[in-house]
Amino acid sequence: EVQLVESGGGLVQPGGSLRLSCAASGFTFSSYWMSWVRQAPGKGLEWVANIKQDGSEKYYVDSVKGRFTISRDNAKNSLYLQMNSLRAEDTAVYYCARVNILTVSFDYWGQGTLVTVSS
Amino acid sequence: QSALTQPASVSGSPGQSITISCTGTSSDVGGYNYVSWYQQHPGKAPKLMIYDVSNRPSGVSNRFSGSKSGNTASLTISGLQAEDEADYYCSSYTSSSTDVVFGGGTKLTVL
Repeated sequence: EVQLVESGGGLVQPGGSLRLSCAASGFTFSSYWMSWVRQAPGKGLEWVANIKQDGSEKYYVDSVKGRFTISRDNAKNSLYLQMNSLRAEDTAVYYCARVNILTVSFDYWGQGTLVTVSS
Repeated sequence: QSALTQPASVSGSPGQSITISCTGTSSDVGGYNYVSWYQQHPGKAPKLMIYDVSNRPSGVSNRFSGSKSGNTASLTISGLQAEDEADYYCSSYTSSSTDVVFGGGTKLTVL
């Protein structure tokens, strides 16, 4: 059974940093692109970042470029999102999602972790 | 403002059929057959319901179907059931820098 479990969310002040983690199991993690998708309170879904199987390619939504870094450790079956210079508008539930690159869809999602940026 | 346009809400009675539209441009919905639909119950993670415009993942009820015409994709749910009440989001590959864009979401109410 595919499982994605996020952790690391919490309350952080504007300008602060946070590192999210996603532990994957039930599939060959190193064979899949992975993504972070976020959802602000009461709002819709927004793709945040993608990373290739070997970490050699990374893509970001414009609003987080230069502030967020996606990474992975295939030996630990883990995905990460380092978030720096956080802003109030980054407040959201952050989901880890497995990418089906052939269909450009997110076929499995974690339960999400809430990040709140507030003073 | 979301890149893909969905109605904010739709409703239907049990047993009826409803259709949710998702309108984009030739750079996303109209240009590629990479439209997906996700169901999200309150407080839960999204679930993939349709991919590649009209394909269902294993385990998804055949009451859910997808189609596309021009720049507009549609999700149809037939034989509405109470458990179908949820938010539904479309997404599409896009030739813009984001690669994937979502719709704003549609709240389905089963009356």
